[in-house]
Amino acid sequence: EVQLVESGGGLVQPGGSLRLSCAASGFTFSSYWMHWVRQAPGKGLVWVSRINSDGSSTSYADSVKGRFTISRDNAKNTLYLQMNSLRAEDTAVYYCASSQGYLDYWGQGTLVTVSS
Amino acid sequence: DIVMTQSPDSLAVSLGERATINCKSSQSVLYSSNNKNYLAWYQQKPGQPPKLLIYWASTRESGVPDRFSGSGSGTDFTLTISSLQAEDVAVYYCQQYYTYTFGQGTKLEIK
Repeated sequence: EVQLVESGGGLVQPGGSLRLSCAASGFTFSSYWMHWVRQAPGKGLVWVSRINSDGSSTSYADSVKGRFTISRDNAKNTLYLQMNSLRAEDTAVYYCASSQGYLDYWGQGTLVTVSS
Repeated sequence: DIVMTQSPDSLAVSLGERATINCKSSQSVLYSSNNKNYLAWYQQKPGQPPKLLIYWASTRESGVPDRFSGSGSGTDFTLTISSLQAEDVAVYYCQQYYTYTFGQGTKLEIK
């Protein structure tokens, strides 16, 4: 059974940093591209970032470019999102998802709240 | 950037009736390299993550009931639920997965 479990969310002050993790199991993690998608409270889905299977290629939404960094450790079956210079508008549930182009499996999400 | 626009924003349909949600992209998501539309539909119920329903615009994900169908090509796409069930109440999103943008979502309720 495919499982994606996010962790690392919490309350952080504006300008602060946080690192999210996504532990994967039940599939060959190293063969799949992976994504982060976020959802502000009561709002729609917003794509954040993706990484290819070996970590050599990444892409970001303009809203997070230069502040967020996606990475992965295929030996640990784990995806990461390093978030720096956080703003109030980054407050959201962050989901990781596996990808075959389309996003086929999603985690339950982790809540990030940016507030003083 | 490719902008995805769904219509309507919300929809109320009687049980057993047809529900239709539209999705329009600002540029074609049909790519000549493989003649495929990079368009997916997701269902999100309250408190849950999104669930993949349809990919390549019309291919139903394994386990998705056949009352769900996707159609369209290029810039105009439709998700149809042929006979609405109570468990279909959710928000539905389209996404182009060439550069990954989502539509704003359509909230589907029972009339």
